[in-house]
Amino acid sequence: KNEVEQSPQNLTAQEGEFITINCSYSVGISALHWLQQHPGGGIVSLFMLSSGKKKHGRLIATINIQEKHSSLHITASHPRDSAVYICAVQGGSEKLVFGKGTKLTVNP
Amino acid sequence: DAGVIQSPRHEVTEMGQEVTLRCKPISGHNSLFWYRQTMMRGLELLIYFNNNVPIDDSGMPEDRFSAKMPNASFSTLKIQPSEPRDSAVYFCASSFLRLSSYNEQFFGPGTRLTVL
Repeated sequence: KNEVEQSPQNLTAQEGEFITINCSYSVGISALHWLQQHPGGGIVSLFMLSSGKKKHGRLIATINIQEKHSSLHITASHPRDSAVYICAVQGGSEKLVFGKGTKLTVNP
Repeated sequence: DAGVIQSPRHEVTEMGQEVTLRCKPISGHNSLFWYRQTMMRGLELLIYFNNNVPIDDSGMPEDRFSAKMPNASFSTLKIQPSEPRDSAVYFCASSFLRLSSYNEQFFGPGTRLTVL
C-alpha cells in the first residue's frame, strides 16, 4: 500500500463546476503539499499546510490531521485548470513522498 | 530571480554512455533535491542536500547513480553507465530550510532523458 493515496486518478469536469481531489496518507506528517503539473511538464507548488485550511484565489486546500486526509477544491473551474494535481507528504525531514497524481480535464 | 535552472532540457543517449544532468538552485536557497518521474512510479526523491551536504540518498537506485553539490549554486546528477530503464524526467528543486520550519520547494523545468 502506498503511503499517499489520491482519488480520483482521473477527473473530467465541465467549466464552472466545483472540483474536489482527495489525498489520504498513512504516516505521521509535519506538512502536506499540493503541487500542480502543467501539460508541458512544469511543476508548481500550490499549497503547503500542516493544519486547517488555506485559500488562494479559486483554490482551497484543507487538511484533517486526525483523519490523515486532505482535500484540494477548485471553485468555478476553468479549462486552464486542466493539469495533474499531486499530493505530497513531509515527515520529520525535508523528504517528500508523493501520491500518483490526479489528472484533471476541464472542458469548455 | 530566474528560478531553478536545469540543463540540458532534453538528452538522448545510447545505453552504456555517461549522462550528466545539471542544476542551479535559486540563489539563497540552502536545500536542493533531485527527483525522477516515470509513468509507472510517479515522482520519487533520489537524493537531497542541505548546505551542500547530502542528507538522504536512500532513493538513489544503485551505484550507477551519483550526485554532487560542490557549492551552493551548482549540483550534478550523473548516471554511468546509463540503461534504457533510466529513461525518465529528472527534476531538480530547491528550498530554503529555516530552523524547525519547512518551506515550499521550487521545481526546475526538468530534463527529459531517453536512453536507447
